[in-house]
Amino acid sequence: AQSVTQPDIHITVSEGASLELRCNYSYGATPYLFWYVQSPGQGLQLLLKYFSGDTLVQGIKGFEAEFKRSQSSFNLRKPSVHWSDAAEYFCAVGTLGQGGGADGLTFGKGTHLIIQP
Amino acid sequence: SQTIHQWPATLVQPVGSPLSLECTVEGTSNPNLYWYRQAAGRGLQLLFYSVGIGQISSEVPQNLSASRPQDRQFILSSKKLLLSDSGFYLCAWSVGRRGSDTQYFGPGTRLTVL
Repeated sequence: AQSVTQPDIHITVSEGASLELRCNYSYGATPYLFWYVQSPGQGLQLLLKYFSGDTLVQGIKGFEAEFKRSQSSFNLRKPSVHWSDAAEYFCAVGTLGQGGGADGLTFGKGTHLIIQP
Repeated sequence: SQTIHQWPATLVQPVGSPLSLECTVEGTSNPNLYWYRQAAGRGLQLLFYSVGIGQISSEVPQNLSASRPQDRQFILSSKKLLLSDSGFYLCAWSVGRRGSDTQYFGPGTRLTVL
């Protein structure tokens, strides 16, 4: 079965500093990888996803992520964070399961991002 | 454009009471529908998914059930709530059958069982 690990529960970054959120996955085949962001009390918004091709993926709000097969990682980065980036970030893997790929995502436990002024 | 609605937004229920949470999607046909639960410190857990009317797959055996009476309606139910059912319930939809298809999430329902 697939799994996703986000090793950092909380990360604190100063406004304007760079950011990297870590994500490692476990899956036997080529994974489909997603990053979502959740503001307090809200649903999830897709930041970006990887499913094939270029391993560096650009997303919304200035985020990017790099798929590294050799490290089973899909880390999220942003060169300069803004106070509005404070939120919960989730990495997820989609697979070609019994539902033909329609059978849901497996999420990590999330990383809570705190922005210091 | 597509939109997804969930209600109620917030719910406080006593232990042993029934539950019904509703999710509807507009602007698309034959979507895949999902129920996730988010408990504190535990990320999102897939509860049920459906690829069509009357087709429900359960990921985790538990006190909850799901139904899909119409193409764009997904209902999460319980006959008797437990304290452990408290959490944030998210509905999502997607189209297609590929693992790379994006899932779009609703605003969620905060359930507190007392």
